[in-house]
Amino acid sequence: QVQLVESGGGVVQPGTSLRLSCAASGFTLSSFVMHWVRHTPGRGLEWVAAIWFDGEEEHYVDSVKGRFSISRDNSKKTVYLQMNSLRAEDTGIYSCARQLGYCSGETCYQGMDVWGQGTAVTVSS
Amino acid sequence: DIQMTQSPSSLSASVGDTVTITCRASQNIDTFLNWYQQKPGEVPKFLMYGASSLQGGVPARFSGSGSGTEFTLTVNNLHPEDFAVYFCQQSYRFPFTFGPGTVVDLK
Repeated sequence: QVQLVESGGGVVQPGTSLRLSCAASGFTLSSFVMHWVRHTPGRGLEWVAAIWFDGEEEHYVDSVKGRFSISRDNSKKTVYLQMNSLRAEDTGIYSCARQLGYCSGETCYQGMDVWGQGTAVTVSS
Repeated sequence: DIQMTQSPSSLSASVGDTVTITCRASQNIDTFLNWYQQKPGEVPKFLMYGASSLQGGVPARFSGSGSGTEFTLTVNNLHPEDFAVYFCQQSYRFPFTFGPGTVVDLK
């Protein structure tokens, strides 16, 4: 069964750190680009970060650049999100998602076809 | 960043109705537009990619169209399980961005 399970969330104070984990099962993690997406009270669904198959490329939303770092360990079938200098606006449910690619000729589309249930992060003093 | 908007923000419909949701991008995204459906307590379900191509297993009553900056998702013959929130998302350029969602609820 294809599944993603997140862990590591919690209630933390501003300025502190958390590391989220996303455990993959039922598929070969190294064959997929992986994403973190958060659902926040004020901004709805917000894409956070993506990491390429072997970690050779990473992308981040501007609001987390320099503070968050996405990584992966394909041998452990796990994707991580290291979150530093947390702010109140980082509060939300963080989900990891698998990217599936669809190519037609030279055009390749990407969509997130498998999502985890998410782990809650609350940043509050 | 590419901003995504959706209209309406919510709509009420009955089983059997046809509903249409519009998604607009702040700049040209060609057809790099995805649609997702999310029900309370569930993870988003990937419905459509490339603006009009159904993900496997998605019923044919769902259809999409558009290119450039304006897109539509149409659900024909609304089924009880179709009442949900629908999100569009652009995959043209990072950062990927989502629309704010459209709630489709029972009239």
